[in-house]
Amino acid sequence: RKEVEQDPGPFNVPEGATVAFNCTYSNSASQSFFWYRQDCRKEPKLLMSVYSSGNEDGRFTAQLNRASQYISLLIRDSKLSDSATYLCVVNLAGAGSYQLTFGKGTKLSVIP
Amino acid sequence: GAVVSQHPSRVICKSGTSVKIECRSLDFQATTMFWYRQFPKQSLMLMATSNEGSKATYEQGVEKDKFLINHASLTLSTLTVTSAHPEDSSFYICSANRGNQPQHFGDGTRLSIL
Repeated sequence: RKEVEQDPGPFNVPEGATVAFNCTYSNSASQSFFWYRQDCRKEPKLLMSVYSSGNEDGRFTAQLNRASQYISLLIRDSKLSDSATYLCVVNLAGAGSYQLTFGKGTKLSVIP
Repeated sequence: GAVVSQHPSRVICKSGTSVKIECRSLDFQATTMFWYRQFPKQSLMLMATSNEGSKATYEQGVEKDKFLINHASLTLSTLTVTSAHPEDSSFYICSANRGNQPQHFGDGTRLSIL
């Protein structure tokens, strides 16, 4: 089983649509969770951290379910500029260690 | 603004050449930096963890004699791909932690070996 698994997509959605991405991780001892965004041929950029209580940043909402080892990202009112690959990222080594493990990413294309 | 600077952004060279990539943390000290590699349509794969003043920790399957890492100061880590071959062509990215914040990534270096 892969350490961090995501649906690769692509997700092709019209502008204004709501889209959800899912991610599962295999190590129950994982401590920190993030969503990164990676544009084509660019470095990943942190989109948001993910907390057990769930967190929201504008049109983006992240959820964490530790019992199911499942992370989600919801994007509301999609914009053309949201087109990118979204990476689910997990700190597998636990608190105090900053080594990250990346999923392969889910590609999103927002269509006019 | 950028907190991690990586140079060069693009390298094209002949097989057998050694290539050096620099990763700098700007305005903060990074005791630990990370080097990743990403092949097309694949996830970022951690190659090694670079610790200031000590030897790097390499992930399984990464040849330490092939990928030399030096972290001589708190703001600079270098990755040297020695005697590069076409199969080493990839996107190499470094990252660093700023305190307990999530990692910040450099712009990446696209390496093409002919």
